[in-house]
Amino acid sequence: QVQLVESGGGVVQPGRSLRLSCAASGFSFSSYGIDWVRQAPGKGLEWVAVIWYDGSNKYYADSVKGRFTISRDNSKNTLYLQMNSLRAEDTAVYYCARHRGNWDFDLWGRGTLVTVSS
Amino acid sequence: QSVLTQPPSVSAAPGQKVTISCSGSSSNIGNNYVSWYQQLPGTVPKLLIYDNNKRPSGIPDRFSGSKSGTSATLGITGLQTGDEADYYCGTWDNSLSVWVFGGGTKLTVL
Repeated sequence: QVQLVESGGGVVQPGRSLRLSCAASGFSFSSYGIDWVRQAPGKGLEWVAVIWYDGSNKYYADSVKGRFTISRDNSKNTLYLQMNSLRAEDTAVYYCARHRGNWDFDLWGRGTLVTVSS
Repeated sequence: QSVLTQPPSVSAAPGQKVTISCSGSSSNIGNNYVSWYQQLPGTVPKLLIYDNNKRPSGIPDRFSGSKSGTSATLGITGLQTGDEADYYCGTWDNSLSVWVFGGGTKLTVL
């Protein structure tokens, strides 16, 4: 079954760290770029970061640059998002999404909720 | 403030047609492909249109996309109550080196 499954969300205090994972199955993970997209409660979609299929390029939204790090392990078919110095405004559902070709997101995970609160 | 501008809401009666605009600039829409996403209440976003005007398998031809210059448009004909959702446009921005989503448009089928 072609799918992405996120994990690692939870409640964390401001200033602390959290690592999200996104496990891929059913397709050739190492052939695709993968992104993180988040959605704060009641808000729209916000792109967070992307990593190229081979990890050679990474780009970040300004809102997370310097605090978040995207990485992947193609041998484990897994994507990661290391989130440091978390802020209340990072509270959101975090989705991983596969992108392809001319860059559209054709496969999304179900998301994992991150709540930053004291 | 989103780089891509969408109307916050649109509405129309069942069976009617609606269009949702997405306005950008030469650094994003003007030089890149646009995709559209549908997010039904409480669900994960779903790819609706890619490469400006192509529909993935399984998306009915009631949904269409177009692009002209620095703007893109999503069209939905034969509106159904099941089309009530949030719709987002998106594309890469060459100047910012980031992917950008529009702010989203809430469709209400009256």
